[in-house]
Amino acid sequence: DAGVIQSPRHEVTEMGQEVTLRCKPISGHDYLFWYRQTMMRGLELLIYFNNNVPIDDSGMPEDRFSAKMPNASFSTLKIQPSEPRDSAVYFCASSFWDRETYGYTFGSGTRLTVV
Amino acid sequence: AQSVSQHNHHVILSEAASLELGCNYSYGGTVNLFWYVQYPGQHLQLLLKYFSGDPLVKGIKGFEAEFIKSKFSFNLRKPSVQWSDTAEYFCAVTAGGNNRLAFGKGNQVVVIP
Repeated sequence: DAGVIQSPRHEVTEMGQEVTLRCKPISGHDYLFWYRQTMMRGLELLIYFNNNVPIDDSGMPEDRFSAKMPNASFSTLKIQPSEPRDSAVYFCASSFWDRETYGYTFGSGTRLTVV
Repeated sequence: AQSVSQHNHHVILSEAASLELGCNYSYGGTVNLFWYVQYPGQHLQLLLKYFSGDPLVKGIKGFEAEFIKSKFSFNLRKPSVQWSDTAEYFCAVTAGGNNRLAFGKGNQVVVIP
């Protein structure tokens, strides 16, 4: 298995532009998570899905952020319009809820810089 | 909601020294506990995890952690660190039967050759 795949690895954009981050979870995993990592706040859970349905989006900072999971193999996190304070590393993770094999697998992250 | 506390955010030590990183969580029920490591410029990788059974858990790369329920703690240890252990270490917990993983702020560990 190729693991959790995120794209792009790096994104530099100007303030006000729309940014879309992509994630492909591990096949068979039925949970998908989006995290944001900054120096100031550490790792924050933004939103997570179970079987493609958003379960908890209380960590989404504001209406500029939206996430979708149209099918079991793809999710997007969109920021529109982007602001410099959105600069961070965004991680996607997936997991399979099974007591014996439980574990989260993280992608390599997308480093977003908004100038 | 559960929360996780990690102290001593920056730790600097020499090779061969022993390492112990503290982790405390706030949740009174059943918890699952994890330690993740993030090497410079890389994604998080699982070091070890605890679900039940023996409270002393052995992970990869010589790391171990001990779950002490009465202290709500899950401290990470390694008897003798190497330069390659330079990384950021995160404690994390899921609780109450949900699959939501809450992370501590992390410990930045620098091992000097």
